[in-house]
Amino acid sequence: NAGVTQTPKFRILKIGQSMTLQCAQDMNHNYMYWYRQDPGMGLKLIYYSVGAGITDKGEVPNGYNVSRSTTEDFPLRLELAAPSQTSVYFCASSYSESYEQYFGPGTRLTVT
Amino acid sequence: GIQVEQSPPDLILQEGANSTLRCNFSDSVNNLQWFHQNPWGQLINLFYIPSGTKQNGRLSATTVATERYSLLYISSSQTTDSGVYFCAVERVGNFNKFYFGSGTKLNVKP
Repeated sequence: NAGVTQTPKFRILKIGQSMTLQCAQDMNHNYMYWYRQDPGMGLKLIYYSVGAGITDKGEVPNGYNVSRSTTEDFPLRLELAAPSQTSVYFCASSYSESYEQYFGPGTRLTVT
Repeated sequence: GIQVEQSPPDLILQEGANSTLRCNFSDSVNNLQWFHQNPWGQLINLFYIPSGTKQNGRLSATTVATERYSLLYISSSQTTDSGVYFCAVERVGNFNKFYFGSGTKLNVKP
């Protein structure tokens, strides 16, 4: 099993550009999450999904969108990138909310 | 949301020493997890422990949900234990919304 995979590993965006961060898991997990981690800080939840077709906002959803068309994939869309979105983005998955979360390796995004 | 406070923020240990990391939270929780972020940024789940005590090798954790805290014990520390330790909680009634503390940065010196 590859676990949770994220692409790309690094990306530099110009202000106003858009991009999609990809996340996939091969563990047949129902729950998937997107977090962002700013330097020296803990993680903050952006969006989560409890199954295909079901998503909901986390603590910091503004400026992001998600979709979940399959169990395996949970892409995160950034529209009109802003410098405040410079961060490391982590995707995670779990079998349910009462199970451990497994994290991908992260995507380091810089917006200039 | 819920407030999650971790202490100490920084910790330096000599290899072989023991340590206790603390996580306090401001409301009732139905999920608590401990993670280790290694120096390369990878996050590894250590424990799912909403209550009680668990042990895994040199690491153990205890959560006293009624008093709103959790402890992570590291015994006989090794240089590979270095990194940042986070606790994350899910507040009762706020399903699937996990809140992370700011972490304890551990540096184990040889």
